[in-house]
Amino acid sequence: EADIYQTPRYLVIGTGKKITLECSQTMGHDKMYWYQQDPGMELHLIHYSYGVNSTEKGDLSSESTVSRIRTEHFPLTLESARPSHTSQYLCASRPTGYYGYTFGSGTRLTVV
Amino acid sequence: AQSVTQLGSHVSVSEGALVLLRCNYSSSVPPYLFWYVQYPNQGLQLLLKYTSAATLVKGINGFEAEFKKSETSFHLTKPSAHMSDAAEYFCAVKKKGGSEKLVFGKGTKLTVNP
Repeated sequence: EADIYQTPRYLVIGTGKKITLECSQTMGHDKMYWYQQDPGMELHLIHYSYGVNSTEKGDLSSESTVSRIRTEHFPLTLESARPSHTSQYLCASRPTGYYGYTFGSGTRLTVV
Repeated sequence: AQSVTQLGSHVSVSEGALVLLRCNYSSSVPPYLFWYVQYPNQGLQLLLKYTSAATLVKGINGFEAEFKKSETSFHLTKPSAHMSDAAEYFCAVKKKGGSEKLVFGKGTKLTVNP
């Protein structure tokens, strides 16, 4: 069973609202990732982190930001939600030297 | 640039039949390769991975995959499908020593008919 937790599981929010998607892992993994998933499409990497105080943007242009103040916590924030942000957001982690990523159950975001 | 092609967005098999999900990759060097499974309203679960050891990789739930460098393929198989195998399956590739990016295919939805 995965030890990576995402909250909320589902979120419906109005345009222009600020939201934070939470991701926490209890495995002590140093590397963490945020992927965006749309039906019938590849997962796209939007942010990643090598460790505390390290964050990088992925390939997919994203208006979101992330922070990594603690090893176990990697929240993703949208300052002003738009309908185009409607998607599923998946958080993942892995320890250095091991390439089996552990994924959370995802947050399904709908912006109306 | 790396890419992953999964042939067939939908595959349907009968319970007890062979499952074959196809994955071809494009990479300048042999990469790390993965198969993930996603059940409805869940995240992705690692089925198996190839990291340059044995070319035939056994995973969970009776699945296995064979890395064929000459064919740039990493097809997923299971001898006998079970109803519980119905899910979406994603093939993914990561360049060795390269970027952190895990490149995914578009997924194959497996239906198992009774």
